[in-house]
Amino acid sequence: AQTVTQSQPEMSVQEAETVTLSCTYDTSENNYYLFWYKQPPSRQMILVIRQEAYKQQNATENRFSVNFQKAAKSFSLKISDSQLGDTAMYFCAFMKPGSQGNLIFGKGTKLSVKP
Amino acid sequence: KAGVTQTPRYLIKTRGQQVTLSCSPISGHRSVSWYQQTPGQGLQFLFEYFSETQRNKGNFPGRFSGRQFSNSRSEMNVSTLELGDSALYLCASSLIKWDSGNRATQYFGPGTRLTVL
Repeated sequence: AQTVTQSQPEMSVQEAETVTLSCTYDTSENNYYLFWYKQPPSRQMILVIRQEAYKQQNATENRFSVNFQKAAKSFSLKISDSQLGDTAMYFCAFMKPGSQGNLIFGKGTKLSVKP
Repeated sequence: KAGVTQTPRYLIKTRGQQVTLSCSPISGHRSVSWYQQTPGQGLQFLFEYFSETQRNKGNFPGRFSGRQFSNSRSEMNVSTLELGDSALYLCASSLIKWDSGNRATQYFGPGTRLTVL
């Protein structure tokens, strides 16, 4: 069975600085999808970024980028120029093709951006 | 395009009652998944529907059930509520049946907060 581990329960960063959130996963699959979701205090789960395992290039979305290390089964999220609005729970998630909706989530990292 | 909507947003029930939650996916999305989120267990997959058929189910008792209608809207039902069913229930939709690149991505609704007293 696949598992997702986020080893940092809480992190904080100063506004405008850069922070990296860690995620590791365990799978025997060769092709799969990885996601980072953000859940602010409003509880709405928002997609931050996604990565397809067959793509070697790391995904980027504006201030958000990932470091995808397939051999190490690592998928970290880097947030540059942190903003107060980035304060949220961040969840790393895994899905294999054909899993029919079953996203497997990590326990989450609570990120606080301080002014 | 409107996002995933869930109703109601908040519910308070007592033990033994049953509850029905509703989810309307993004227009054009045919797959709907449901998740339970609790502080202790985190996010857990309940089930997934596509074309009115349940294709996958998580490890939850039979008290948890769902269905999907021809317009892709979905409902989930919990019967004989227990205190431990108190949670945030999230619905997510994705574009098509076959996971393929961006179409595998799930988009979430705001959730329904269920409190069982």
